[in-house]
Order: sequence, then C-alpha cells, then structure tokens
Amino acid sequence: RKEVEQDPGPFNVPEGATVAFNCTYSNSASQSFFWYRQDCRKEPKLLMSVYSSGNEDGRFTAQLNRASQYISLLIRDSKLSDSATYLCVVNSRTAGNKLTFGGGTRVLVKP
Amino acid sequence: DGGITQSPKYLFRKEGQNVTLSCEQNLNHDAMYWYRQDPGQGLRLIYYSQIVNDFQKGDIAEGYSVSREKKESFPLTVTSAQKNPTAFYLCASTRIDSGAQPQHFGDGTRLSIL
Repeated sequence: RKEVEQDPGPFNVPEGATVAFNCTYSNSASQSFFWYRQDCRKEPKLLMSVYSSGNEDGRFTAQLNRASQYISLLIRDSKLSDSATYLCVVNSRTAGNKLTFGGGTRVLVKP
Repeated sequence: DGGITQSPKYLFRKEGQNVTLSCEQNLNHDAMYWYRQDPGQGLRLIYYSQIVNDFQKGDIAEGYSVSREKKESFPLTVTSAQKNPTAFYLCASTRIDSGAQPQHFGDGTRLSIL
C-alpha cells in the first residue's frame, strides 16, 4: 500500500460547480499535511496547509480526519484556472522534514 | 526577490555521460531536497540535506550523487549508472523549525537522453 494515495481522476467539473476529493495516508504518526497545486509541466506550488480543525482559504476548504486517516480538499465556484493536478503531501515523524507526495488528482474545469 | 533557481531548464545526456543539475536558493533555508517526477506520477525523493557538508539518501538515490558545500547550493549529478534518467527534476528547500514546514520548489530541469 502506498503511503499517500489519491484518486488520479480526472475530475471533470463544470465551471461554477463544487468539487471535492480525498487523500488517504497510511502512517498514523503523520503530523503535517499540505495541498499543493501543479500545473502541466510546472513545479508544484503550495496551495494550503491543512490544520486539525479544518481551514478555508477563499474558495478552497481543507479538512483532516485523523481517525480515518484522510484529508480532503473542496473547491467551490470552480474557475477555469483551477484546472490543475492537486498533490496531497504528508509529513511523518522522520528526520529532515521529509514529505511524502501522493500521485495527484487531476481536475479539469470546463465552460 | 528570494527564491530557488534551477538550471538548466532543459538538459540532454549522452550515453555514458554524467550531467550536473544546479540548484541555488537565497531564502536562507537550511534544508534542501531533490525529487524526480516521471510523467503522470508523483514526486520521489532522491537526496536531501539538512546542513552544509551533510546529506542523506532518499527513496531512489541509486545512480545519483549530490554535494552541499554551501548553504545556498545543492547540485545533483546524474551519473551514467542511472539507466533511465529521463524525467523532470525538482529541487526544493525549507526552514527547519519545530513541526514540518512546506517546501518551496524551483521551476525544474527536464532531462532527456540523446
């Protein structure tokens, strides 16, 4: 089983709709969680950190469920520019601040 | 502006050749990382370094080597022992504080075999 698993998608989303997807992680000692966005042939960019109580940044909402070991990302009022691959990233109690990346969920927002 | 600079953007390797990818950061970050990304795949850790003159292997270190002679610089050499080097290589850096910090990435180097 992979340490961090994501549905690769693609999630085809009409413009203006809401889309949500999850990421599961296997290491219960995982401490920190992030969502990154990666555009085609570009580097990943931090979208948001995920806090225990859940957090929101504009149209993006992230949730953490420690009991079931998953995090989620919800995008409201999807824009064409939200089309990208969203990478789930997890840190476990290891040295060097090593992060483990999921394979990414591809989202395609269509007019 | 502070950031991470990778060069070159594109690189071609001949059979039996070693090539070196550059990564420089002016963010005063302690830790630096090298990842490899294959098409449609996630990032895999090659090497990382938390401090000057020290580095550790990641998950796929075979066929690669690194050095960390300066805090700002963490070059990656893809040796001839790496038989499938074609990939997108990403360098990242971060502070080392209590708790994990997000990593910031350079814009990558695409390596191909001639």
